Amino acid sequence: DQQVKQNSPSLSVQEGRISILNCDYTNSMFDYFLWYKKYPAEGPTFLISISSIKDKNEDGRFTVFLNKSAKHLSLHIVPSQPGDSAVYFCAASGDNDMRFGAGTRLTVKP
Amino acid sequence: DAGITQSPRHKVTETGTPVTLRCHQTENHRYMYWYRQDPGHGLRLIHYSYGVKDTDKGEVSDGYSVSRSKTEDFLLTLESATSSQTSVYFCAISEASGRTYEQYFGPGTRLTVT
Repeated sequence: DQQVKQNSPSLSVQEGRISILNCDYTNSMFDYFLWYKKYPAEGPTFLISISSIKDKNEDGRFTVFLNKSAKHLSLHIVPSQPGDSAVYFCAASGDNDMRFGAGTRLTVKP
Repeated sequence: DAGITQSPRHKVTETGTPVTLRCHQTENHRYMYWYRQDPGHGLRLIHYSYGVKDTDKGEVSDGYSVSRSKTEDFLLTLESATSSQTSVYFCAISEASGRTYEQYFGPGTRLTVT
């Protein structure tokens, strides 16, 4: 069973606009959430994270929002740049357990 | 970039043959992980290690074994490869286990079992 779901396999946005990537989880024991970014032929790289005691975390153009009651998190990228084109994985972590979503492929068009 | 290398980077093998993938790190991190990435499934944990000779199973461990005889090396073995094991395999490391420790990933090994 997939405990972490990214229901949009792909997303296309125009350069300069906002990209919103969504992630849902089912296990209420998860209390730390991460986003990883992956370029072709490379391994995933850590992007941003959020603890369950927060509802928002910002790092430059990247903001992650967490809605614990809905078991939902989202990654906002503003403004989107062509170099942001990649696959984004959401991950949820609990005690010695980390689960990843299937990924969303973001394409930012110039 | 974290010092993680994987070898080989690409491999084609036949069903029923044994295959060993190697992960090497220069960061002296205690924890090492093997994942597979498949379309529609994201990254799934195969096995992980929390020290030399200390390993445990992950979500999709059937058909795989691992060994860690040195801090820097973590080997993944497919004793008898099957077509369902065609995948991209990623090694990852982390300083410690636990929710707040991010993992650093290697470049991946693309394995095709014909």
